[in-house]
Amino acid sequence: DTAVSQTPKYLVTQMGNDKSIKCEQNLGHDTMYWYKQDSKKFLKIMFSYNNKELIINETVPNRFSPKSPDKAHLNLHINSLELGDSAVYFCASSQVRQAPQHFGDGTRLSIL
Amino acid sequence: GIQVEQSPPDLILQEGANSTLRCNFSDSVNNLQWFHQNPWGQLINLFYIPSGTKQNGRLSATTVATERYSLLYISSSQTTDSGVYFCAVSQFTGNTPLVFGKGTRLSVIA
Repeated sequence: DTAVSQTPKYLVTQMGNDKSIKCEQNLGHDTMYWYKQDSKKFLKIMFSYNNKELIINETVPNRFSPKSPDKAHLNLHINSLELGDSAVYFCASSQVRQAPQHFGDGTRLSIL
Repeated sequence: GIQVEQSPPDLILQEGANSTLRCNFSDSVNNLQWFHQNPWGQLINLFYIPSGTKQNGRLSATTVATERYSLLYISSSQTTDSGVYFCAVSQFTGNTPLVFGKGTRLSVIA
């Protein structure tokens, strides 16, 4: 009964490819997030959606495009992958915007 | 933007010891959360504590919002407490995101 689940857990691909990461939450939360954790463990928000509406869009290359088909799902598509995109990407959700956030297990993306 | 500083950056404890982790922030906040990232990389929400004191088992947290700091107490530490502890804050002015500190890496030795 995973609350926030992301797939895949690991993603190894070559530079220039396009890839997607999927996220689903079964908590009934209204708000979902994508975070990037770099090699130094620093966590930074990328995007946030509230009821399928984009509400936070930090300074992220436009090769990254989030999509929320419904409030339980938030996917992340990345075009033309670069070496610097290697990181762990976390999905999270919260009941409302400033409520406690619950994280998925992360997707480790490695670019060859 | 708001700055979050955590101290100490690294901490090594003998099993059974107590510890205090600190989070300082540069401006007033309406949202403060503590997270534990275990050695397998999972991020667990420990506390949502914009002010006051909360306890959960061996862990407790206190936030003094007027003085812009929060403390996380770990008592009778266990090896399973090892990992990185993050403090994250946001200011409730519209859709402001959580800003994370750099974390405190805790190693508990048996």
